[in-house]
Amino acid sequence: GQSLEQPSEVTAVEGAIVQINCTYQTSGFYGLSWYQQHDGGAPTFLSYNALDGLEETGRFSSFLSRSDSYGYLLLQELQMKDSASYFCAVSSSGSARQLTFGSGTQLTVLP
Amino acid sequence: AAGVIQSPRHLIKEKRETATLKCYPIPRHDTVYWYQQGPGQDPQFLISFYEKMQSDKGSIPDRFSAQQFSDYHSELNMSSLELGDSALYFCASSRGGTGDTEAFFGQGTRLTVV
Repeated sequence: GQSLEQPSEVTAVEGAIVQINCTYQTSGFYGLSWYQQHDGGAPTFLSYNALDGLEETGRFSSFLSRSDSYGYLLLQELQMKDSASYFCAVSSSGSARQLTFGSGTQLTVLP
Repeated sequence: AAGVIQSPRHLIKEKRETATLKCYPIPRHDTVYWYQQGPGQDPQFLISFYEKMQSDKGSIPDRFSAQQFSDYHSELNMSSLELGDSALYFCASSRGGTGDTEAFFGQGTRLTVV
């Protein structure tokens, strides 16, 4: 099976940089995704890493180290609207058509 | 741009009743996923379909069933509803038949069992 660990809560101020870590254990690994979800809303795709290294998309970057079973999401120039839950999710090679989500990190951005 | 459409948005049922949730994926997306999200919980994978065939099964109760039709829309059928089935049910779709591409989520159906 798969298991993922990420911090339950993170708080930061507007304009700051925050890093949300994710460690995973899986019997097979295809890639690591990150999703954002506002209260009552749908998860929204942010990024995906299949290979080691950094992927940058605007203010958001995601990093993966397959050897360490570790990844992180980096959010820069935080804005109030970034307050949301952030989920890491793994795609396992044994079942590439499903995502297993972590328990989510609630990010609160303060003025 | 077209998104994943789910209906209904809200549904209230009594215990032991049945419910049917519908999902219309983004055009040309061949994979549909269903997720259940309880209050304060992460989305739990239920089941997925690729090209109208069931491809993966997660923690879906035997009381639930799902299928994907020829027009690629999918329905999640839930019978003998229990109070614990109250949750947000998301449908997502993707292209390419693999989970390593971006999955687009619908706005969800909020099911309340009373």
